[in-house]
Amino acid sequence: KNQVEQSPQSLIILEGKNCTLQCNYTVSPFSNLRWYKQDTGRGPVSLTIMTFSENTKSNGRYTATLDADTKQSSLHITASQLSDSASYICVVSRISNFGNEKLTFGTGTRLTIIP
Amino acid sequence: DVKVTQSSRYLVKRTGEKVFLECVQDMDHENMFWYRQDPGLGLRLIYFSYDVKMKEKGDIPEGYSVSREKKERFSLILESASTNQTSMYLCASSPGYEQYFGPGTRLTVT
Repeated sequence: KNQVEQSPQSLIILEGKNCTLQCNYTVSPFSNLRWYKQDTGRGPVSLTIMTFSENTKSNGRYTATLDADTKQSSLHITASQLSDSASYICVVSRISNFGNEKLTFGTGTRLTIIP
Repeated sequence: DVKVTQSSRYLVKRTGEKVFLECVQDMDHENMFWYRQDPGLGLRLIYFSYDVKMKEKGDIPEGYSVSREKKERFSLILESASTNQTSMYLCASSPGYEQYFGPGTRLTVT
């Protein structure tokens, strides 16, 4: 079964600290993996997209890693800011038997940054 | 900047009502999607469209229909709203594989 599991479900850290969010998946055949940030009451916004051959990608203070062999990804946030408080969603893409892209969404990690 | 707009941020409807959720994108994307998002379940695909007048069922199409008469507009229709359709509805558009989401419509069916 195609699944994406994220951990932890929620995380609270002090402003300025670093944190790492985890994503494990069983989606096959793998096409790409994305991390989205979703602020409360808003739609998700893309942070990174990684294909099979990429094992790290950065977007400012966000760095995503991908290990396609173990089917794991992580999102590392450096020097957290209050505006980082949001849900972070891991999404894995596969190509269906009909040739179109299918996305499997994780349930997200709710990150809260406290001053 | 890609812009995806949804007609309402919040909507309250009664059981049995017909509900229309509108989504408009301004980037000439061919692909458009409707998802619902519920706590603990992640986003689930309801319907998608790869072209005008074309639609495909997603993972949970029951109780929903869609309409795409123009490239920029993708409508989600709840023929007879039920309480289990209370949810956050998210529209997305895509030129290829990057999806751009709208702000969402929080629908409550009472």
